[in-house]
This record gives sequence, structure tokens and C-alpha cells, in this order.
Amino acid sequence: KAGVTQTPRYLIKTRGQQVTLSCSPISGHRSVSWYQQTPGQGLQFLFEYFSETQRNKGNFPGRFSGRQFSNSRSEMNVSTLELGDSALYLCASMVGTTSPGELFFGEGSRLTVL
Amino acid sequence: GDSVTQMEGPVTLSEEAFLTINCTYTATGYPSLFWYVQYPGEGLQLLLKATKADDKGSNKGFEATYRKETTSFHLEKGSVQVSDSAVYFCALSGVNSGGSNYKLTFGKGTLLTVNP
Repeated sequence: KAGVTQTPRYLIKTRGQQVTLSCSPISGHRSVSWYQQTPGQGLQFLFEYFSETQRNKGNFPGRFSGRQFSNSRSEMNVSTLELGDSALYLCASMVGTTSPGELFFGEGSRLTVL
Repeated sequence: GDSVTQMEGPVTLSEEAFLTINCTYTATGYPSLFWYVQYPGEGLQLLLKATKADDKGSNKGFEATYRKETTSFHLEKGSVQVSDSAVYFCALSGVNSGGSNYKLTFGKGTLLTVNP
């Protein structure tokens, strides 16, 4: 079956702009999580959604937001981009009804902020 | 808060060598522990997991045992192959009063290179 799909795979933005990243989870998975991966900080949790509700949120500023749609697809948005937002943004899905579940990761969206 | 510390890399080994990547954690309650692997240009994949003390996770010749007394989950493989070259991440799934917090806390990752 199809894996987790993230779009776009690569994008370049300038400071002050905003960006929206999209994630389509594996069919039947109702939980979607987002992580930021950088060389300095490693993998950091952004937020997790289940059935359109945010269940947990990481320690990121309010410029980072997300949502989940009724078909479980998710988007995350970063407003007023800063140079430090350059990173690989990973989406992961899981069934979400059992804990702890196995996370299935997409290949990521690589954001470069100039 | 929860944290994971894993050995700094990079680690370079010859094929068929023994591998150990150390991982220790700090968490409240009884977290679940994971090893994920990231091959070049790919997303993370679950390698193995353990959900309670003394559990041993194993997959593809890799093993790790959940040691609550030492808060450790070291990854081992008896004989590595060139195809094992990747970045390995130790992670924990924390808990709160309501159960899982549905969040993974990762270590910084260890780059393993296996030479023929």
C-alpha cells in the first residue's frame, strides 16, 4: 500500500514569507505527526493530530501551526519565515487508536529560507 | 522533561564487525523505546521497539533490551553489512496522566558507515 506522501519535496522561500506543507497519511491511519529535523537540534516534535483534533504540541512558537482534514490529510503552516526555519520537515502517520503505535514516516519536505 | 542521549558518531566499522550504539533515556513513568533507521535519501523506518522493562526488540539481526535499572536501550548487531550504513535514532514515547502523549522524543542520531 502507498506510504506517507509529503509535498512539496523541496522548496525555497525568503524571510518573512509563509509556507504550507502537505502530508497524506497511509490509508486507514488517523494520526498524523510533524517533526522538524535540523543538523543542530536533531528531530523535534511539532504537533500530532488525530481525527482532526490536536492531541499534543511541541515547544515551537505560534508561527508554526497545523490542521488535519476529515480524510486524515494534514497540513502545516509556518508564517513569517526565519532563517532558522530551514529544515527537513517530516510527517509521520499511525493508526492512532493503540498506544504506542508504530510511526510511518514520509521522506520529508526540505525547506530552505534565504 | 523526556530526553534521549545516544552516542556521538560517526561510527565506522568493517563488514562483519560487532556493532553497539549506546542509548540512555530520562522519562517519567514507563515509556516505550524505539530504534529508527534513516537510510540516505529516505524517511525514518522503525527498526525495533520494546514496550516494557526487560523486553528485547529484534529485527534484521539488530537487538536492543529495555533496561529500566540503567535507563538504557543499547542497539547491537553481531555482524554488520555494508547495507547497514545509515543514521540510527533512539527514541522514546512518553506518557502522561492520560497514557501515551503520542510524541516521540529522539536522540541526535548516530551515523554508521560500514566499509567492505
